[in-house]
Amino acid sequence: DSGVTQTPKHLITATGQRVTLRCSPRSGDLSVYWYQQSLDQGLQFLIQYYNGEERAKGNILERFSAQQFPDLHSELNLSSLELGDSALYFCASSVVAGSTDTQYFGPGTRLTVL
Amino acid sequence: AQSVTQLDSQVPVFEEAPVELRCNYSSSVSVYLFWYVQYPNQGLQLLLKYLSGSTLVKGINGFEAEFNKSQTSFHLRKPSVHISDTAEYFCAVGGGTSYGKLTFGQGTILTVHP
Repeated sequence: DSGVTQTPKHLITATGQRVTLRCSPRSGDLSVYWYQQSLDQGLQFLIQYYNGEERAKGNILERFSAQQFPDLHSELNLSSLELGDSALYFCASSVVAGSTDTQYFGPGTRLTVL
Repeated sequence: AQSVTQLDSQVPVFEEAPVELRCNYSSSVSVYLFWYVQYPNQGLQLLLKYLSGSTLVKGINGFEAEFNKSQTSFHLRKPSVHISDTAEYFCAVGGGTSYGKLTFGQGTILTVHP
């Protein structure tokens, strides 16, 4: 158990819908990362937040947005869902924001878009 | 830009045999290198990381990796594998100006046969 929690574990929805994925980092960690894992794209970095502020952005679609709240939990919002958005979405956390810091991964949320 | 190539998508091996999972990276700046393991239906767990110093890095579960700057490689090795090592292994690179962002390889599925 990494200490990172993600809800829900599974999500099944229809094209065009909007969903919210939630992540609680390990106690004491200030940085949260979101990654998408799909069969065709592999593991892709989406976005990083540090202490409530966006720190780095990767291959995140405009239909996707994220935020980190004062209590440090984070939410990833996916809207106008397409079949290709079906994937495993991981949240990770680390103590600080630097690239030497170990990232601890949650168990993931599996999103299926029908 | 940074990239990672894992040279083998699947590696089958018999129990108690040695194994090497190959990883090559590309980066124009200083790099930090990581190996993560993903067991079925679980998140990623850090095996080991190279930040600086000794090029031979020891990790958990008897794994080790060697950083080779001239060959831009970071191969993962274990002298004797167990059935429980069956999992998918990911090599990742971080560093430079990308803050905490990790760039992952496509993964290598290690299957240990009795």
